[in-house]
Amino acid sequence: DTAVSQTPKYLVTQMGNDKSIKCEQNLGHDTMYWYKQDSKKFLKIMFSYNNKELIINETVPNRFSPKSPDKAHLNLHINSLELGDSAVYFCASSLRVFYTFGSGTRLTVV
Amino acid sequence: ELKVEQNPLFLSMQEGKNYTIYCNYSTTSDRLYWYRQDPGKSLESLFVLLSNGAVKQEGRLMASLDTKARLSTLHITAAVHDLSATYFCAVNFGNEKLTFGTGTRLTIIP
Repeated sequence: DTAVSQTPKYLVTQMGNDKSIKCEQNLGHDTMYWYKQDSKKFLKIMFSYNNKELIINETVPNRFSPKSPDKAHLNLHINSLELGDSAVYFCASSLRVFYTFGSGTRLTVV
Repeated sequence: ELKVEQNPLFLSMQEGKNYTIYCNYSTTSDRLYWYRQDPGKSLESLFVLLSNGAVKQEGRLMASLDTKARLSTLHITAAVHDLSATYFCAVNFGNEKLTFGTGTRLTIIP
């Protein structure tokens, strides 16, 4: 059983489109995150939810909107995609000091 | 500003040699993490260090934490090709999220 699963694994889309990435965890963790890894491999937090409540919202364009329907799910919707949004997006979850990362979604905007 | 710096950024080592990767961080924390990332893959948790003086070892890798110096090290002993990967340190500064270092791309040369 996959602990933190993301779909899709790859996403290729044109500029201006709207797309969503889904994340689910079956670990019973209470906090979930979205991280972005750019082309230089740098990892940066975007959002964090604790029990469906937004607790971290870093400086991210408002074209990015997270949604957490329940504490096991955290989705990321991106409007009006731009070339600079191309990156790998990682979902993660945590409970106390332990973090688990999903396998990543490679988004390519053309 | 909460910062995590790693060095070196790139490291080529011969098999059988020893080396150390350094991770410095900007302000007080006693929660430091080391991850490994293979190309196109997710982040694999290597070590979680939760107190000053903590030392953990797994195979040829050993990690330590000095919270007073705000420094963690990842020591590689008698490197083998399988250890080629990118290694990240990450720090929790008490605000739920992990702040990542820049990563060290390690290449082991036969």
